[in-house]
Amino acid sequence: GNSVTQMEGPVTLSEEAFLTINCTYTATGYPSLFWYVQYPGEGLQLLLKATKADDKGSNKGFEATYRKETTSFHLEKGSVQVSDSAVYFCALSAPYNQGGKLIFGQGTELSVKP
Amino acid sequence: DTEVTQTPKHLVMGMTNKKSLKCEQHMGHRAMYWYKQKAKKPPELMFVYSYEKLSINESVPSRFSPECPNSSLLNLHLHALQPEDSALYLCASSQRTSGRAGGDEQFFGPGTRLTVL
Repeated sequence: GNSVTQMEGPVTLSEEAFLTINCTYTATGYPSLFWYVQYPGEGLQLLLKATKADDKGSNKGFEATYRKETTSFHLEKGSVQVSDSAVYFCALSAPYNQGGKLIFGQGTELSVKP
Repeated sequence: DTEVTQTPKHLVMGMTNKKSLKCEQHMGHRAMYWYKQKAKKPPELMFVYSYEKLSINESVPSRFSPECPNSSLLNLHLHALQPEDSALYLCASSQRTSGRAGGDEQFFGPGTRLTVL
């Protein structure tokens, strides 16, 4: 079946540090891959996406590349800010003939200190 | 309009009450979803509507009853809830793009924070 595994948190970084949050997946076929971010007290926001192998999604300084050979979609940012403190979820979406459901990783809480 | 809206933002109800959560989108999306989320955990899928028909029910107890009156609206009717049902309830929507190898991104609303006393 489909599943997503992401590194456990919490992750605590100083401002301007480099961020990597690892995400690997198991899926049949060719899922779409996403990173969602959830700020305290809010819903989930789509941060970036990739729909095929070697695609790079990017937004707000965050990047992730769809690596089919390693079944990975690691999230990176070169210089984090205090405002990036949030919970980050890696997710995959199977095609609708497999139900079209979003499968989430467990989430990684990021705390950025000034 | 790229928003999913949800009302109310907060809801407190007793175990004998009946209440409803509402969700609306005007992006022309044809799939809509209800999720339940506990603190710092991933959302858990409850229901999926596709073209206004219920397509997935993830074995949700009957005290939760979804309704899709039209392509823009999604309701979740609540009755005889338990304290363990207290959570953030999220609505989402997506295009229903057929033929793609992978599924579409889902757009989430801000959620309704439900407390059952």
